[in-house]
Amino acid sequence: SQTIHQWPATLVQPVGSPLSLECTVEGTSNPNLYWYRQAAGRGLQLLFYSVGIGQISSEVPQNLSASRPQDRQFILSSKKLLLSDSGFYLCAWRDGQGYGYTFGSGTRLTVV
Amino acid sequence: AQKVTQAQTEISVVEKEDVTLDCVYETRDTTYYLFWYKQPPSGELVFLIRRNSFDEQNEISGRYSWNFQKSTSSFNFTITASQVVDSAVYFCALSRYTDKLIFGTGTRLQVFP
Repeated sequence: SQTIHQWPATLVQPVGSPLSLECTVEGTSNPNLYWYRQAAGRGLQLLFYSVGIGQISSEVPQNLSASRPQDRQFILSSKKLLLSDSGFYLCAWRDGQGYGYTFGSGTRLTVV
Repeated sequence: AQKVTQAQTEISVVEKEDVTLDCVYETRDTTYYLFWYKQPPSGELVFLIRRNSFDEQNEISGRYSWNFQKSTSSFNFTITASQVVDSAVYFCALSRYTDKLIFGTGTRLQVFP
């Protein structure tokens, strides 16, 4: 069965520090992968998506970047965090038929 | 452009009341999918239902039911006899056949004992 792992679960980082959030998927190949962010009390905003290794599409200009070094690995990064980067980050993958999306358990990031 | 509107920001009910969460969508596509997700306080997104644009049949799953009406571009979600465990944020979402998921802003449901 397919599973998605996301870590860490919680992170507190100072302003200006780097960020690396990792997401891996098991039990499938060539998945479409997504990074979403949910600011406090807000909806889910799509940040990046990837249809294959090295292929990244950015939805919103921001202080973040994404990479897909392996088929089932999706990384969200920042060189210097801003206070506005605080939020709940969710990774998701979509099955090949486009029918379902499965979400990771999320990372709650607080930038102080 | 695709858009999902959940006009109800927050709803409060007392246990055993029925409650309907509204969802209105916009799309020019003829093939698309609609979803509902539940986000409990722990934060993870729990998949509830997926409906494709060619299937307008209403669906019932236990205390949950969904009413899909293409004529009004709506995909409403009703919880019958609500329970405290139903308290969560509920998101309606839309995607094209091979595209990303677009979420509404969510409706926070609070069920009081």
